[in-house]
Amino acid sequence: DADVTQTPRNRITKTGKRIMLECSQTKGHDRMYWYRQDPGLGLRLIYYSFDVKDINKGEISDGYSVSRQAQAKFSLSLESAIPNQTALYFCATRSGGDTQYFGPGTRLTVL
Amino acid sequence: QKEVEQDPGPLSVPEGAIVSLNCTYSNSAFQYFMWYRQYSRKGPELLMYTYSSGNKEDGRFTAQVDKSSKYISLFIRDSQPSDSATYLCAMSTSSGAGSYQLTFGKGTKLSVIP
Repeated sequence: DADVTQTPRNRITKTGKRIMLECSQTKGHDRMYWYRQDPGLGLRLIYYSFDVKDINKGEISDGYSVSRQAQAKFSLSLESAIPNQTALYFCATRSGGDTQYFGPGTRLTVL
Repeated sequence: QKEVEQDPGPLSVPEGAIVSLNCTYSNSAFQYFMWYRQYSRKGPELLMYTYSSGNKEDGRFTAQVDKSSKYISLFIRDSQPSDSATYLCAMSTSSGAGSYQLTFGKGTKLSVIP
């Protein structure tokens, strides 16, 4: 089984809908991250969490919210999706070292 | 000026060629440097990690850091079609428990033609 899983893998939705992307990990890492990846813009950090009680905004947090339900689960929500949130979304985890382990990604399309 | 600059390519080379991938950066506080490989429809995976200036070799891959020039490189020797992927450089200003954020380049898409 994969260490970092993301659901759903693909999602098409309409403008204004609420969307939740979920991430689960079995690596036992404290630190979890949400990134989005856009062609020509690379990976950009949305939110990160050091533990269940710690949530921090990243570079592009506007329009997004997160919930750290447990050490192993970190969800990303789009309260009212808009077309420019169409992107590939990655969850990542990290232990005390420097290596981040990425999930397989969720491809989100907002029409 | 972006903190990390990376030529997006695409870069196409014949099998067996030596590939050179590069990133430049402007923030002199970056101390830790990584290369990630991302296959199509997959998440990035760590390929190389370096701290000090100089070279680090792992099989066919060599990572090079020149802090004085704020320039890092990844060399791939005897390139294979299986090396076809997007390569992202990443950097951080600290390591271990105190650090939290990586700054990524935009990625270079590499195709190795049989």
